[in-house]
Parts: sequence; C-alpha cells; structure tokens
Amino acid sequence: EIVMTQSPATLSVSPGEGVTLSCRASQSVTTNLAWYQQKPGQAPRLLIHGAFTTATDIPARFSGSGSGTEFTLTISSLQSEDFAVYYCQQYSYWPLTFGQGTKVEIK
Amino acid sequence: EVQLLESGGGLVQPGGSLRLSCAASGFTFSNYDMIWVRQAPGKGLEWVSTISNGGHNTYYADSVKGRFAISRDNSKNTLDLQMNSLRADDTAVYYCAKPASRSSLNWFDPWGQGTLVTVSS
Repeated sequence: EIVMTQSPATLSVSPGEGVTLSCRASQSVTTNLAWYQQKPGQAPRLLIHGAFTTATDIPARFSGSGSGTEFTLTISSLQSEDFAVYYCQQYSYWPLTFGQGTKVEIK
Repeated sequence: EVQLLESGGGLVQPGGSLRLSCAASGFTFSNYDMIWVRQAPGKGLEWVSTISNGGHNTYYADSVKGRFAISRDNSKNTLDLQMNSLRADDTAVYYCAKPASRSSLNWFDPWGQGTLVTVSS
C-alpha cells in the first residue's frame, strides 16, 4: 500500500498570505496525484488532478506541482473561503490512498 | 449537472447491519466504476470499496472485507453498500464518488454529501 504523508498537520496563516502544503508518497506515483479541499460538514471538493492540472471552476490562486514522490499545493493569497482541510490522494496503485490532511486555519 | 445523493445512514448497534444507497444522476452511470469512501469523525479519508461499471468486479479494503458488499443497479442508477457485522470503528460518514473516467483508479469528482453511520450500543 502506498502511504501518503502530508505536512504540516496544521498551518496558521493570515488572510492574503501564501501557503505551500506538502504531500509525500512512499513510492513513486508519477503524476497520479489529486488534491481536495474539505470544509466542515461538506464533502471533499476536487482542486487539482494529474499533480498540476487545476479542476474546473477552481480559482487560479490554487496550483499544484511535483512528480514521483514529492508534491506541493500552493495557495498564492489566502481568501477567507480557503480555510479548510486539504487532502492529497494517489491513484497510481490499488488501494487508493489519501494523506491524513493539512488543516489551514486563520492566524 | 452530475449529482450523487447518499441515504441509509443511522444509528446501529455493534454486530448489526445497515444498507447505504447512492442515487446518481446527470451522467451515464453504467459507463463508470463507482466507489465508497469513508471518514471517521475528525479523521481522514479511507477508500472502502469499488465496483466495476458492469457490476461484475468488486474490491474491498481489508478493514471491511467479508463484512461489506457493494452492488449496483444500472437500470435505476443506484449504488449500494450492504454493511454487516458492524463495529464501533465503522462509525464514519460514508461518501460515494464518481471517477473522472470509467476506471476507478482515478481522481474523483464529484462526491456525494455523505451519510453518517454511527455504531454504538
């Protein structure tokens, strides 16, 4: 099973600041990596697939990069609606696996 | 618009059973594998089960193998999850999700709103 490790667990950020979230895979998943945003009481929402392709209707301030085992999600200027938990997911191998999440909270 | 609507969650005693359903609309359901993912309270996401588009192939996480059964009715555009021998650690919100293309070795969009299963005496 591919283990996905996200860091940090929590980020405290002020609105308007930029942030970078990390996701590491225990073995190469090439670019078969997705990022999701989840707000309290809501389902996950797709942000990025293919490691760097932004999903439909996702604001340009969200971007993804990386390949192999190291990936990042960058939010260039945090808006109030961006405070949430972010998960990465690999889809190279069964079983599908997710990282444990990074919570982005208001500083 | 693609929509997924789960139902069937609730409170059940340990050892009991529950059947979840997911009603799909807005896409050709029979063309897609489908999955269930769960999220325990305050925890991350865990893949639970996958069913192929025709329903002939099913896959399960080790944590639910032998206790859960996934099925689908392509004539009704519904996906089900029969959960037996439920344990406290099965307590979670259960989501159904649609893969980006036919195969479920994929990213998922959208997800249903989820249905809460609570296993407690």
